Amino acid sequence: QVQLVQSGAEVKKPGASVQISCRASGYTFTKYSMHWVRQVPRQGLEWVGVINPSGDSTTYAQSFQGRVTITRVTSTSTVYMELSGLRSEDTAVYYCARASSGYHNPWGQGTLVTVSS
Amino acid sequence: DIQMTQSPSTLSASVGDRVIITCRASQSISNLLAWYQQKPGKAPNLLIYKASTLENGVPSRFSGSGSGTEFTLTISSLQPDDFATYYCHQYNAYSFTFGQGTKLEIK
Repeated sequence: QVQLVQSGAEVKKPGASVQISCRASGYTFTKYSMHWVRQVPRQGLEWVGVINPSGDSTTYAQSFQGRVTITRVTSTSTVYMELSGLRSEDTAVYYCARASSGYHNPWGQGTLVTVSS
Repeated sequence: DIQMTQSPSTLSASVGDRVIITCRASQSISNLLAWYQQKPGKAPNLLIYKASTLENGVPSRFSGSGSGTEFTLTISSLQPDDFATYYCHQYNAYSFTFGQGTKLEIK
């Protein structure tokens, strides 16, 4: 079955960077884009960005422009999201989600990133 | 960006009730709308895509309708497992946006 497994929780200091991984299995990795979405505790969902199947094109939400980088490694079926210049407001659960004609299905289990001094 | 306005933000209902959640887009998104269910501590789970297509394995008591700017999610007869938070999601244009969520609570 299609499965997305994300890396574990991270604790970072303000100003640092974090990289989260999302390993895919159960489907042809090179045929699907991958999105990242975040959820601040007890709040709603916010789209972060997407990488295309070949990895040569990314689109980011304006609110993350300049701070986020999404990459993918085909040999390991893994997508990465790096967020730099972390601030306390970036404390959230970050999800990867496979794109299926635009909608997201399935989602990874989520990775909690805590930004605290 | 296309704004998605979901209502109500909280809904109290009983097992067996029929409930309707509404989502309004700030501009036309055709039928490029999905609905997700999220339970505490879990990732969102796809229920409906293309406004009205039920994802495989989702119970038939869930249904979606609408096009353009107005959409609804209907649960025909609430079951105990349905108490969760529901989000609409437009995927018509980059950037993708979500509604603010509707928390469905037990009355």
